[in-house]
Amino acid sequence: EVQLVESGGGLVQPGGSLRLSCAASGFTLSDHYMDWVRQAPGKGLEWVGRTRNKASSFRTEYAASVKGRFTISRDDSKNSLYLQINSLQTDDTAVYYCSRGLSDWGQGTLVTVSS
Amino acid sequence: DIQMTQSPSSLSASVGDRVTITCRASQGIRNDLGWYQQKPGKAPKRLIYGAFTLQSGVPSRFSGSGSGTEFTLTISSLQPEDFATYSCLQYNSYPLTFGGGTKVEIK
Repeated sequence: EVQLVESGGGLVQPGGSLRLSCAASGFTLSDHYMDWVRQAPGKGLEWVGRTRNKASSFRTEYAASVKGRFTISRDDSKNSLYLQINSLQTDDTAVYYCSRGLSDWGQGTLVTVSS
Repeated sequence: DIQMTQSPSSLSASVGDRVTITCRASQGIRNDLGWYQQKPGKAPKRLIYGAFTLQSGVPSRFSGSGSGTEFTLTISSLQPEDFATYSCLQYNSYPLTFGGGTKVEIK
């Protein structure tokens, strides 16, 4: 059974940093494209970025709104995906989901940016 | 970037009604479109991919159609558990983009 469990969310001050983790089980992480998607309170879904699989050299893509501030990485030995978020802004406040190929999703982790 | 315009943004319907939701892409995306259902406080659930392929385990009352720039999600007979928000997603080109969502409420 595919399982994705996010962690690392919390309350952060503007300008701060955070690293979100996504623990994957039930499949081999390196075989799959993995995405991060976020949802601000009361708003729609926003794709954040993607890391491709090993066959595609783990190349990454990002939304323009986060490029240069967010970095997706993975540790296939730990079957884990990460999202490093720097220079946090108030409009980064959202639930962050990790997803296997936008088919399977974790339960999300809430990031709140506030002073 | 490809813009996904979803309509309506909300609708009220009764159990048993036929419901249709539309997504329009700002440029052609072939069949590279998925539909998602989301209930409050829960993660999205993929219903359809490739514009019309039903995800395993999804009831057959859900169907998708369209190609290019116009896409439709149809619920043939709305059930109580179908009251939720539905969103489309294009994955033809980066950045991937979602429609704004359609909230389906009880009439």
